[in-house]
Amino acid sequence: QVQLVQSGSELKKPGASVKVSCKASGYTFTSYAMNWVRQAPGQGLEWMGWINTNTGNPTYAQGFTGRFVFSLDTSVSTAYLQISSLKAEDTAVYYCARDHSSSWYPNFDYWGQGTLVTVSS
Amino acid sequence: SSELTQDPAVSVALGQTVRITCQGDSLRSYYASWYQQKPGQAPVLVIYGKNNRPSGIPDRFSGSSSGNTASLTITGAQAEDEADYYCNSRDSSGNHPYVFGTGTKVTVL
Repeated sequence: QVQLVQSGSELKKPGASVKVSCKASGYTFTSYAMNWVRQAPGQGLEWMGWINTNTGNPTYAQGFTGRFVFSLDTSVSTAYLQISSLKAEDTAVYYCARDHSSSWYPNFDYWGQGTLVTVSS
Repeated sequence: SSELTQDPAVSVALGQTVRITCQGDSLRSYYASWYQQKPGQAPVLVIYGKNNRPSGIPDRFSGSSSGNTASLTITGAQAEDEADYYCNSRDSSGNHPYVFGTGTKVTVL
């Protein structure tokens, strides 16, 4: 069965970096793109961007350029989200979600369990 | 980017029908998908495309679309349907592929 398993919660100080992992199993990793979604405390879902798991080419949404980097290690079927120069406002749950979309609609059919990143001094 | 607007909260009596709407310009060109999120859990896809349910999603969930509005209908709401619901569509502005709606909290009375 398809599973996306994310790394555990992180507590970081402002200015530090964090790397969240998302390990996929149960399907061919390079057959589906991977999305990243942020959810700040008490807030809605925010699409951060996606990475083509075939080419490694990332696409970032507005507001997620510069400090946010998507990467892959296809040998272990894992996608990564790295955030540098962390700020308090980066405190959120970060989700990975498999992309099974068509040209006419999105379809994030499987989600990781989420990783809480807390930024606090 | 495009915006998808949802009512912040709706309530429904147990066993009754509730419709959740999502408005946005991109919905004139693309279908929406819908996600259910319960407290402390990851979102779950409940409807995608014109009106498709993933395996395991009860048939009381259905989707429709008209003009710039997409709707998710729960027919015969159950207590376990109490959750936040988010629509999601492609972004017709061209800035980036996807956008989420603002979310609707559904309370089952």
